[in-house]
Amino acid sequence: EIVLTQSPGTLSLSPGERATLSCRASQSVSSKYLHWYQQKPGQAPRLLIYDASSRATGIPDRFSGSGSGTDFTLTISRLEPEDFALYYCHQYLSSPPGHTFGQGTKLEIK
Amino acid sequence: EEQLLESGGGLVQPGGSLRLSCAASGFTFSTHGMNWLRQAPGKGLEWVSGISDDSSRIYYADSVKGRFTISRDNSKNTLYLQMNSLRVEDTAMYYCARGRSYYFASWGQGTLVTISS
Repeated sequence: EIVLTQSPGTLSLSPGERATLSCRASQSVSSKYLHWYQQKPGQAPRLLIYDASSRATGIPDRFSGSGSGTDFTLTISRLEPEDFALYYCHQYLSSPPGHTFGQGTKLEIK
Repeated sequence: EEQLLESGGGLVQPGGSLRLSCAASGFTFSTHGMNWLRQAPGKGLEWVSGISDDSSRIYYADSVKGRFTISRDNSKNTLYLQMNSLRVEDTAMYYCARGRSYYFASWGQGTLVTISS
């Protein structure tokens, strides 16, 4: 089973700063199987980035995804107050079919 | 506007059963795979089960295999999750999500399931 490990567990930054969130897989993952979600307190997760680097509909261009193989990154270029939330990476598993998530990174206001 | 509305959650004793529903609107339900995911209080996300658009392919997480059954009624635009032999560790917010390619394109707001004696 491929395990996703997100780092850091908590990231403390100020509005206007750049955020870099990491998702590392225990084995190589196809980019088309790696995605990112944002979750705010009391809300459902929301798709941010699919296929490692494609922004979902309505997602601001300050959010970007990159990476390949075992190392993937979610970057928020300039933090807005509404960006402070939990972020999860997600991978699809092809055999047997299923899905797993990283443990999450909490982005908090410094 | 696309909407997914879960219902059916509640408090159940260990060993009991519950049936969750997810009513879909705002998109062509019959052409999309659908999924159930859950999140235990204060914990991360866990995929529970998925079903293809025509119900021909169904998958479960090992943690629920043999106890949960996913189904759908395309005539009613509704997804279901029948949960039997419930355990304390099944306590969670349960979300339905529309699948697209290999990701979850949209999510409902969730329904809370609590297993406790």
